[in-house]
Amino acid sequence: GDSVTQMEGPVTLSEEAFLTINCTYTATGYPSLFWYVQYPGEGLQLLLKATKADDKGSNKGFEATYRKETTSFHLEKGSVQVSDSAVYFCALGADSWGKLQFGAGTQVVVTP
Amino acid sequence: EPEVTQTPSHQVTQMGQEVILRCVPISNHLYFYWYRQILGQKVEFLVSFYNNEISEKSEIFDDQFSVERPDGSNFTLKIRSTKLEDSAMYFCASSDMVSGNTDTQYFGPGTRLTVL
Repeated sequence: GDSVTQMEGPVTLSEEAFLTINCTYTATGYPSLFWYVQYPGEGLQLLLKATKADDKGSNKGFEATYRKETTSFHLEKGSVQVSDSAVYFCALGADSWGKLQFGAGTQVVVTP
Repeated sequence: EPEVTQTPSHQVTQMGQEVILRCVPISNHLYFYWYRQILGQKVEFLVSFYNNEISEKSEIFDDQFSVERPDGSNFTLKIRSTKLEDSAMYFCASSDMVSGNTDTQYFGPGTRLTVL
């Protein structure tokens, strides 16, 4: 079945460092790919998405490119801030009813 | 900005008791979902709901679970007889699903259910 694998955390970085969170997927069809972020005490918020191969999603300085050849959707940010500390979830949407399959989540801690 | 709300934020119950978790989706959305996250594990899909009926459900969503849209605004998840392993964070989500699987789901803040 469809699945998402993302790197384990926590990832601890200093402010202004480069962030990469790896995400790979397995799907039989043509899924859409999402990154959600969960700040402490809050719900899941969509960070960015890509709906077909080679699409790049971007938001708030974060980017991810849908790579069909490597079945990946890695999240990157060039210069993180303390306010980026959160849990990041990679997710896949592959059916007509919109069901999302999530990765395990990666906690990111950014220190001043 | 419209948002999905959930109540209560934390529910503590005794094993075997019934609980109802409540959600108010975004008002013009037509597709509703419940997910759960057991502590330290993945967010898991439970059920999707459209046009007053279940459109898809996972293996987790057994006969102990039910969903309902009792009025035009609320969307509820009922667990008939809670078990210890039902302890988790439960997230409600909604979508207007114009474009199928590409559409954004908007999530509520979650209800933490603790079964003792």
